[in-house]
Amino acid sequence: DTGVSQDPRHKITKRGQNVTFRCDPISEHNRLYWYRQTLGQGPEFLTYFQNEAQLEKSRLLSDRFSAERPKGSFSTLEIQRTEQGDSAMYLCASSPTYTEAFFGQGTRLTVV
Amino acid sequence: DQQVKQNSPSLSVQEGRISILNCDYTNSMFDYFLWYKKYPAEGPTFLISISSIKDKNEDGRFTVFLNKSAKHLSLHIVPSQPGDSAVYFCRYFTNAGKSTFGDGTTLTVKP
Repeated sequence: DTGVSQDPRHKITKRGQNVTFRCDPISEHNRLYWYRQTLGQGPEFLTYFQNEAQLEKSRLLSDRFSAERPKGSFSTLEIQRTEQGDSAMYLCASSPTYTEAFFGQGTRLTVV
Repeated sequence: DQQVKQNSPSLSVQEGRISILNCDYTNSMFDYFLWYKKYPAEGPTFLISISSIKDKNEDGRFTVFLNKSAKHLSLHIVPSQPGDSAVYFCRYFTNAGKSTFGDGTTLTVKP
């Protein structure tokens, strides 16, 4: 296991389209996080899973966003009816504890 | 209200000198601070942490200092190397498990 992997690395989509991102965490980590990062800012928390349970969602996660972790392993983040303001880097992290986190390389979304 | 602030968006130092990256916070109910390093097109990488019960933690060239009375955290890199050029984020965990990242400081180490 070489770490957290995210797919795709880059996604360009037209406004109004739906997109789905995938995150494969480090296998023994039961905690999984999604963050969004825009230029000049730190990562902003979106949602958190412990195993398959989604335990916390940020107010940033509007109704157009949904995340799943069906078997407690990989996770998907879907954005419906994308808007230009959704353009950002979407980061996934997994963690064996509630502090240290291992990040993937991110998916850069561009909505045109 | 931003709970964690990195007031310097950028810092440039000469190779071999000390780099000092700063972070100020407002909420005293924290449990841990962590520092991350981020290269372009990569996710943040954990660097070093400090718990609320300590005032210093050292790991090789990296030392983090915590001044609780001033609500100030700093990361010292000595000696700085060109490969240290990256964006550095401080991250704060409350004892309720909530975390917040600062906006980052871009460090450039010149050869």
